[in-house]
Amino acid sequence: DTAVSQTPKYLVTQMGNDKSIKCEQNLGHDTMYWYKQDSKKFLKIMFSYNNKELIINETVPNRFSPKSPDKAHLNLHINSLELGDSAVYFCASSQEPLGAFFGQGTRLTVV
Amino acid sequence: AQSVTQLGSHVSVSEGALVLLRCNYSSSVPPYLFWYVQYPNQGLQLLLKYTTGATLVKGINGFEAEFKKSETSFHLTKPSAHMSDAAEYFCAVRPSNDYKLSFGAGTTVTVRA
Repeated sequence: DTAVSQTPKYLVTQMGNDKSIKCEQNLGHDTMYWYKQDSKKFLKIMFSYNNKELIINETVPNRFSPKSPDKAHLNLHINSLELGDSAVYFCASSQEPLGAFFGQGTRLTVV
Repeated sequence: AQSVTQLGSHVSVSEGALVLLRCNYSSSVPPYLFWYVQYPNQGLQLLLKYTTGATLVKGINGFEAEFKKSETSFHLTKPSAHMSDAAEYFCAVRPSNDYKLSFGAGTTVTVRA
């Protein structure tokens, strides 16, 4: 069983569209994250939820909106996609102090 | 606020040679420290972590790291490189009183036959 799973793995879409990425973890962890990895492989934290409560909200455009329906799921919705949104988005979960477990990533390409 | 600096964006080693990846951190409170590895087109895999206790920590695949508070460092080593160690390596820090896990810029390891 995959511990942290993201769907879709690849997403190609046109500018201006709205898209969602889903994430589920079966580890029973309390905390989940979204990270963005750019073309230079730099990892930037975007959001974090703990038991469905938003605890980290970094400086990202408000076109990005996370939603956590329960502590096993954290979805990311992106409105009005722009070329600069192209990146790999990683979901992760953690139960301190074990460290974070990452999903396989969603490669988003905006054309 | 915390930050991580990885010295050297690229490291090339011969197969069988020592692998040394350098990581320095800053944190206003005692940190939790991590090393992750990322293979091409894959997610990040936890190699090892330091939270409290013994400052020399051992991880998977023969890697180990030593927490040196006086030097604010957490360098990663492996005595003998294998071709399969070629990957991107990330050092990360999380303050012990916070959830924010911050990453360094990464170090690309190339292993020469």
